[in-house]
Amino acid sequence: GESVGLHLPTLSVQEGDNSIINCAYSNSASDYFIWYKQESGKGPQFIIDIRSNMDKRQGQRVTVLLNKTVKHLSLQIAATQPGDSAVYFCAENMNFNKFYFGSGTKLNVKP
Amino acid sequence: GAVVSQHPSWVICKSGTSVKIECRSLDFQATTMFWYRQFPKQSLMLMATSNEGSKATYEQGVEKDKFLINHASLTLSTLTVTSAHPEDSSFYICSAGDRGEQYFGPGTRLTVT
Repeated sequence: GESVGLHLPTLSVQEGDNSIINCAYSNSASDYFIWYKQESGKGPQFIIDIRSNMDKRQGQRVTVLLNKTVKHLSLQIAATQPGDSAVYFCAENMNFNKFYFGSGTKLNVKP
Repeated sequence: GAVVSQHPSWVICKSGTSVKIECRSLDFQATTMFWYRQFPKQSLMLMATSNEGSKATYEQGVEKDKFLINHASLTLSTLTVTSAHPEDSSFYICSAGDRGEQYFGPGTRLTVT
């Protein structure tokens, strides 16, 4: 499959600070991206998605930015909370809902 | 939102035996489901696409005779790991799409002894 990778394998932030998790993708033809959160021993949980015709999308405390020029995604979490501690994956939709996942970033929120 | 379930949530089997994992879409119908495998501290790797009423399509490097997929109805896909070996020990996750969104099951942890 195509390569979707992350710049930072581990990110530690202080509770209340903002977090930024980055992701690079390789297929310029991909048109749909999703950020997932995975807690230990559980399946991935949908956080937010974005289509390639958008540059930015906001949810509750989360924002996803898409830069198609450099094939880069970022997930911003505002006022990070201990419950945000998990592994975060970006996933790239190749076609027919087949998703290829990046290597993941572990977010540690320090109280 | 839509719910995808998996059964069992964890299973231990002996080398050489086969184990079946079920993936169900509980409140929607899914003509297509996907199976992923995740090793510890690694990302999810797409194994195959399960197609209702037809053969599954496998990703490169995934043995179709070892990982048998059956999508017999619009709400159920099964993955059978045949002649399991310790290296097949992993977290197996399925997903199904509904109205443009993809929903993941809680995963099945397989341990082969």
